[in-house]
Amino acid sequence: GENVEQHPSTLSVQEGDSAVIKCTYSDSASNYFPWYKQELGKGPQLIIDIRSNVGEKKDQRIAVTLNKTAKHFSLHITETQPEDSAVYFCAEGSTLGRLYFGRGTQLTVWP
Amino acid sequence: GAGVSQSPSNKVTEKGKDVELRCDPISGHTALYWYRQRLGQGLEFLIYFQGNSAPDKSGLPSDRFSAERTGESVSTLTIQRTQQEDSAVYLCASSSYRVTGELFFGEGSRLTVL
Repeated sequence: GENVEQHPSTLSVQEGDSAVIKCTYSDSASNYFPWYKQELGKGPQLIIDIRSNVGEKKDQRIAVTLNKTAKHFSLHITETQPEDSAVYFCAEGSTLGRLYFGRGTQLTVWP
Repeated sequence: GAGVSQSPSNKVTEKGKDVELRCDPISGHTALYWYRQRLGQGLEFLIYFQGNSAPDKSGLPSDRFSAERTGESVSTLTIQRTQQEDSAVYLCASSSYRVTGELFFGEGSRLTVL
């Protein structure tokens, strides 16, 4: 089965609105939760990550929240811009080293 | 170069042939990952190398897939007797973390099996 589920698979927002993408995981040993952005024809790039000893982390317009009890974490993008349009992947990992990715969310920001 | 380099960038092969994909990680990165990304899909974990430890091969989909890494340098992913369902982009990533941390991805090798 999937290690991490990601929703929604597609998301369209108007420029300036907020976008939220959610992921759930099942492994209690997971302690690292990054988010990657993939632009067309390129490899994914890390945009923000959070470890299990923290509930929230923010970097300018991007924030990630983690609920370890419920085993879910979310990406929040505020004041979206057309250049935010891309595919976003959540992932989860543990001290074992391997990192499992969600299926991705295609975000489209309309000007 | 400063980033992860993969070659070839594109490979078209006939069903049944063997292919080798190469990854040059960022110098000094001890961890190296291979992922498969089918069209419009997520990243499917294949294999993970960490320094000189035994690799985690738990994601390899069949015994037609194998990967090698020489120390903390170049890695090759080999697919034997390719099938059409092997068509995908194969992404390599490296990391300086000894546990999970930021992965730096290459641009991938696009494999098309006719």
